[in-house]
Amino acid sequence: DAGVTQTPRHEVAEKGQTIILKCEPVSGHNDLFWYRQTKIQGLELLSYFRSKSLMEDGGAFKDRFKAEMLNSSFSTLKIQPTEPKDSAVYLCASSLNRDEQYFGPGTRLTVL
Amino acid sequence: GDQVEQSPSALSLHEGTGSALRCNFTTTMRAVQWFRKNSRGSLINLFYLASGTKENGRLKSAFDSKERYSTLHIRDAQLEDSGTYFCAAGGNNRIFFGDGTQLVVKP
Repeated sequence: DAGVTQTPRHEVAEKGQTIILKCEPVSGHNDLFWYRQTKIQGLELLSYFRSKSLMEDGGAFKDRFKAEMLNSSFSTLKIQPTEPKDSAVYLCASSLNRDEQYFGPGTRLTVL
Repeated sequence: GDQVEQSPSALSLHEGTGSALRCNFTTTMRAVQWFRKNSRGSLINLFYLASGTKENGRLKSAFDSKERYSTLHIRDAQLEDSGTYFCAAGGNNRIFFGDGTQLVVKP
């Protein structure tokens, strides 16, 4: 069974650029989560979708972060414009009815 | 400060023996999840607990939200159990990871 896949694994962007991260959840899962991981803050929730509908948008991340789920098997996270403080690992996870979450390998973003 | 304190940071076991990993939390957590990192760097789920204990083969995990800890017990360790184990716990839209335990199982 394929787990959660994320692309790219690494991304380097200049300040002010637009970047799009991609995620494919586990087939059959109806929940999809986007997180940002830093050592200090731990995992911060950016967005949560239930059956493609946006349920939570992570509050403080609204301005430059936009997650979309156009179909049940694909989601994107757009950061526009990027800032150096956005450098982090971005994790996508999926679950079935908010039970245990299956994490993707993450995308390491570096903003110069 | 760190919300999750995981110990030990490194553990060496001989095949057939066992031990326990532990995560202490500085605050009340809603649930805990235990992972092992595979060779590609992905996190493989071992357990998810909101309370109580769960067992799967040679692994057993317990979570006590009130006492703010969780444990992962490994018995009859095998060579393929070697790897890095993480706990993660959270609530209020945040999940905090422990720093990991690097387990080496020797023949």
